[in-house]
Amino acid sequence: AQSVTQPDIHITVSEGASLELRCNYSYGATPYLFWYVQSPGQGLQLLLKYFSGDTLVQGIKGFEAEFKRSQSSFNLRKPSVHWSDAAEYFCAVPTSTGANNLFFGTGTRLTVIP
Amino acid sequence: NAGVTQTPKFQVLKTGQSMTLQCAQDMNHEYMSWYRQDPGMGLRLIHYSVGAGITDQGEVPNGYNVSRSTTEDFPLRLLSAAPSQTSVYFCATRRTRVGNTEAFFGQGTRLTVV
Repeated sequence: AQSVTQPDIHITVSEGASLELRCNYSYGATPYLFWYVQSPGQGLQLLLKYFSGDTLVQGIKGFEAEFKRSQSSFNLRKPSVHWSDAAEYFCAVPTSTGANNLFFGTGTRLTVIP
Repeated sequence: NAGVTQTPKFQVLKTGQSMTLQCAQDMNHEYMSWYRQDPGMGLRLIHYSVGAGITDQGEVPNGYNVSRSTTEDFPLRLLSAAPSQTSVYFCATRRTRVGNTEAFFGQGTRLTVV
């Protein structure tokens, strides 16, 4: 079955530093892949999504992600982190069931220090 | 255009009590779902619906019931609350069940069972 793994539970970066959050997927064919962000006390919001084509995907808030089939990865990046980026980030993939239910990783909590 | 509306935002129940978490959407989305979010476990699917009159179980359905009598509403019922159901609950909708459609989330309901 399709699934994603986020190996980092918690990451701390300094404001202005670059960021990379890891996501590894398990999928038979070319997957659809999503990154969502959850600010404290809020619901999840879509950052970006990959379906096919260009392997570098641009999203909102200056985020991007790169699909690498050879590494089964879809890592999220941002060149310069802002304090407002502190949140929890989830990678997700549709499952192989008929309803394509979204399967979420366990999340990575990002702390930004001044 | 409110999107996905969940009520209540907070709830405290005693063990054995029942209650209904409400989810309403005004986007005419076919697909609706309920997730629970627990620390370190990401989001786990409870139940989902691909259209009015159609519901099915997700990963963790025990202790919960759902119904979908209209396109707009997808209530989640806790039959006899248990402390293990203490969690944050999210309703999510998608325009269709197709794998590349993004999910839209409500703000969540924080439930505590004592």
